[in-house]
Amino acid sequence: DGGITQSPKYLFRKEGQNVTLSCEQNLNHDAMYWYRQDPGQGLRLIYYSQIVNDFQKGDIAEGYSVSREKKESFPLTVTSAQKNPTAFYLCASKDGYSNQPQHFGDGTRLSIL
Amino acid sequence: QKEVEQDPGPLSVPEGAIVSLNCTYSNSAFQYFMWYRQYSRKGPELLMYTYSSGNKEDGRFTAQVDKSSKYISLFIRDSQPSDSATYLCAMTGGTSYGKLTFGQGTILTVHP
Repeated sequence: DGGITQSPKYLFRKEGQNVTLSCEQNLNHDAMYWYRQDPGQGLRLIYYSQIVNDFQKGDIAEGYSVSREKKESFPLTVTSAQKNPTAFYLCASKDGYSNQPQHFGDGTRLSIL
Repeated sequence: QKEVEQDPGPLSVPEGAIVSLNCTYSNSAFQYFMWYRQYSRKGPELLMYTYSSGNKEDGRFTAQVDKSSKYISLFIRDSQPSDSATYLCAMTGGTSYGKLTFGQGTILTVHP
């Protein structure tokens, strides 16, 4: 089955700790995206990547980092610099530079211990 | 002012009702419009995808786009309890290179 797999489903972070959220897709999509979802605020774009070894900041990149070493993988690191990391994180992918719709994984819920 | 405005609701309707969900936007460059359905603790699932103005129907769902008014709608006919979810509008176009701009989402409950 083709799709987007996010892991873990639930993650807890201690103060001062960096944590990494995994996103893997087997749809052969070039573009991948990370969003943050907070209650009542819709989805906000953190980082996106149109192609391997290239990525750009979204609207709320501060306190986050990404890498894109493989086409199928786009991990997101939430660093200790992100002071309010509690949220639902969603990964998406789509086909290339076109305006095709994005397809989403089932998210990771990150909470602070 | 947000680029895309969506009434967050919540909206509660009886089973069998016709539901109307709406978004307004300010960026005239938007040309591609999407509706996603999101169940609790799940990722958004694409429901409808339309280009430019007009209507598109898929089963009980109809998407309408009025670019002159910068207004899009999603209609759900014969609503079912399984339609209870958050509905997100999203759009893209111009120089955004496929980046989506989302509305806040509308929480819908269909009660038996």
